[in-house]
Amino acid sequence: GAVVSQHPSWVICKSGTSVKIECRSLDFQATTMFWYRQFPKQSLMLMATSNEGSKATYEQGVEKDKFLINHASLTLSTLTVTSAHPEDSSFYICSGASGLTGEQFFGPGTRLTVL
Amino acid sequence: AQSVTQPDIHITVSEGASLELRCNYSYGATPYLFWYVQSPGQGLQLLLKYFSGDTLVQGIKGFEAEFKRSQSSFNLRKPSVHWSDAAEYFCAVGAGAAGNKLTFGGGTRVLVKP
Repeated sequence: GAVVSQHPSWVICKSGTSVKIECRSLDFQATTMFWYRQFPKQSLMLMATSNEGSKATYEQGVEKDKFLINHASLTLSTLTVTSAHPEDSSFYICSGASGLTGEQFFGPGTRLTVL
Repeated sequence: AQSVTQPDIHITVSEGASLELRCNYSYGATPYLFWYVQSPGQGLQLLLKYFSGDTLVQGIKGFEAEFKRSQSSFNLRKPSVHWSDAAEYFCAVGAGAAGNKLTFGGGTRVLVKP
């Protein structure tokens, strides 16, 4: 299957700082990328959907000014958590979908800990 | 709105025994259904998917799932479990095949006893 990478795999930051997480599709072009959040022992909750070159569509309850998503190319999307707080600590997972098959390929996730 | 329910939070099974994970969905039209497995430190891996056609779907690692429209179910099965099958399993429903967003169930954690 296609490969999606995320960087960093884990990050610890101080409260009030911003953190950027990268999501790359390594061997396919992801026309659509998705960002999920997963709390411990819970399921994945979709945060936003982004299409290359367009503004992201956020799910209800997700603050777009806090979780900035950029999908500048068909292989790269970034999620920036601005002014992070301890409650933003979570596991963030991205996926990319190929326009050919529509199947989503998931990255390994990024664990964010905000102190 | 679409939703997915996985009634079992944990399942413990002996190695070599059969495994069945339950999944019930709610969706107004023909659903696109998926089963994913999540192992620690790894991304979600697609086990199998159902879009249309034969309601018994074969996947990777010896898994299969059966779509039953009358019961709104898409249960995952494996005849003989291996220790490496210990993981978290997620059922998901999508509005379509082409990059549409997925709604995930709560997940079922599978523990395998030697």
